[in-house]
Amino acid sequence: AQSVTQPDIHITVSEGASLELRCNYSYGATPYLFWYVQSPGQGLQLLLKYFSGDTLVQGIKGFEAEFKRSQSSFNLRKPSVHWSDAAEYFCAVGAGRGGGADGLTFGKGTHLIIQP
Amino acid sequence: DVKVTQSSRYLVKRTGEKVFLECVQDMDHENMFWYRQDPGLGLRLIYFSYDVKMKEKGDIPEGYSVSREKKERFSLILESASTNQTSMYLCASSLGITTEAFFGQGTRLTVV
Repeated sequence: AQSVTQPDIHITVSEGASLELRCNYSYGATPYLFWYVQSPGQGLQLLLKYFSGDTLVQGIKGFEAEFKRSQSSFNLRKPSVHWSDAAEYFCAVGAGRGGGADGLTFGKGTHLIIQP
Repeated sequence: DVKVTQSSRYLVKRTGEKVFLECVQDMDHENMFWYRQDPGLGLRLIYFSYDVKMKEKGDIPEGYSVSREKKERFSLILESASTNQTSMYLCASSLGITTEAFFGQGTRLTVV
């Protein structure tokens, strides 16, 4: 079965500094990979996704992520964070369990705190 | 824009009550999902459906059932609510396996 690990439960970054959120997955074939963001009291919003092709994907709000098959990783980056980026971030893998929709498997999330 | 609407943002129910959580999507998506979100555990898949009247168990189906009588509507049912089902419940829909899931705002359920 597929799994997702987000090693960092909390990360604190100063406003204007760069950000990298880590995500490692476990799956036998090429997975479909996603990053979602959740602001307090809200549902999840898709930041970006990887299905195939270029391993560096651009998303909304200035985020990007790089798929590294050799490391089974899909880390999320942003060159300069803003206070509004404070939120919960979830990495997810959609790998299929035998047909149909099958759903996504999520990591446990990384809580991003922005210091002024 | 795709819209996934959950009927309630907050619910308080008593132990033993039958609880219905409703979800409607307006983009003719084939697939619909119910997740449960708990601090430190992330999102866990309860049930999903890839067609009307079709349902599949996710990772934590115990204590839950679902109904999908129409394509746009997917209901989560707690047959006899218990305090350990106090949680945030998120509904989602997607067009296909390779497309992203769109989420509703969530229903925070408290069972007392």
